[in-house]
Amino acid sequence: DQQVKQNSPSLSVQEGRISILNCDYTNSMFDYFLWYKKYPAEGPTFLISISSIKDKNEDGRFTVFLNKSAKHLSLHIVPSQPGDSAVYFCAASAGRSQGNLIFGKGTKLSVKP
Amino acid sequence: NAGVTQTPKFRVLKTGQSMTLLCAQDMNHEYMYWYRQDPGMGLRLIHYSVGEGTTAKGEVPDGYNVSRLKKQNFLLGLESAAPSQTSVYFCASSSSDTQYFGPGTRLTVL
Repeated sequence: DQQVKQNSPSLSVQEGRISILNCDYTNSMFDYFLWYKKYPAEGPTFLISISSIKDKNEDGRFTVFLNKSAKHLSLHIVPSQPGDSAVYFCAASAGRSQGNLIFGKGTKLSVKP
Repeated sequence: NAGVTQTPKFRVLKTGQSMTLLCAQDMNHEYMYWYRQDPGMGLRLIHYSVGEGTTAKGEVPDGYNVSRLKKQNFLLGLESAAPSQTSVYFCASSSSDTQYFGPGTRLTVL
């Protein structure tokens, strides 16, 4: 049973527009959420995170929103750039000190010039 | 500061052969992890370690063994490789919740 779900395997967006990547989770014990970005033939790189005590965290063009009641989070990229084309993984953990992450299956974002 | 490094980058094995994947980190992180990534499956945790001399099973531990004899190194062993272990293997390390990943090892078992 998947605890972290990314229901869209792929997303295509025009350069300059907003990209919205979605993630749902089932475990109410999750209290910390992260987004990772992965280019082909490279390891995932940390992008942005959010604690369950917040509902929004922003870092430059990247914003993560958390809706605890709906067990849903989303990553917004504005404006989208061709270099943002990658696979984005959502991850969650229960208890920050443990460091164990549960990953979604990823969404492949393509930003077209 | 190299971060997390993995050796080798690529390897082809025959069924039944054994091998060891090496992960090294220079960030003095306590936690280290081994994942495998398969098409459409995301990242699945194989084994992890919360400190030198400790190891624990993750989601998909069968067919693998690990050792953490030094804080900076985490070894993943395949005693008798099977075609189902064809995958890309990623090592990661962390001090708390943000994990930092190595570049991966692409393993093919024929």
